[in-house]
Amino acid sequence: NAGVTQTPKFRILKIGQSMTLQCTQDMNHNYMYWYRQDPGMGLKLIYYSVGAGITDKGEVPNGYNVSRSTTEDFPLRLELAAPSQTSVYFCASRSRNPRRYQLYNEQFFGPGTRLTVL
Amino acid sequence: GENVEQHPSTLSVQEGDSAVIKCTYSDSASNYFPWYKQELGKRPQLIIDIRSNVGEKKDQRIAVTLNKTAKHFSLHITETQPEDSAVYFCAASDSGGGADGLTFGKGTHLIIQP
Repeated sequence: NAGVTQTPKFRILKIGQSMTLQCTQDMNHNYMYWYRQDPGMGLKLIYYSVGAGITDKGEVPNGYNVSRSTTEDFPLRLELAAPSQTSVYFCASRSRNPRRYQLYNEQFFGPGTRLTVL
Repeated sequence: GENVEQHPSTLSVQEGDSAVIKCTYSDSASNYFPWYKQELGKRPQLIIDIRSNVGEKKDQRIAVTLNKTAKHFSLHITETQPEDSAVYFCAASDSGGGADGLTFGKGTHLIIQP
């Protein structure tokens, strides 16, 4: 299992450009998430998905869009990039079904994409 | 929504001493509290978690305690070692078995002095 993979690892964008951050997981997890981490801060939830075709907004969705056409992939789209979107972006996933005797399953994180908007 | 406060922002301890990081949360419906360790330039990794039906959980040198009444939980690391140096994040979720994401604290930079 590769786990959660993200591409690219690094990217520099000019203001107003657009791009898609890719996220793929091979653990057959239903739930997937996008977080952003600003320098010296914790992670903030951008969007999440409970399964193919279903997405919902998190705490900081403005300026982003997502889609979930398959269980494995959960791309994050930035339209009209702004300097405020300079951050490290982490994708995560977890199983819908808790392990035995547990109520909640661990979220597994990808390696992150470091994005700079100039 | 949920709000998680974490203290201190930086903690420096001598190797072999104990370290304690504290978090408070605002939503009484939260029932899951994980702790993540993040090394420089790496992804967050779960080190321990606790659910609201448990007051304390221990895994070797790491322990977490939860006080639901006061809405706070703490991470305890004993016999600290150089490899414990990292940023630690607490988080909370009110979704139990649902899909909602985690609300994170701002992190504690733990420095282990040799």
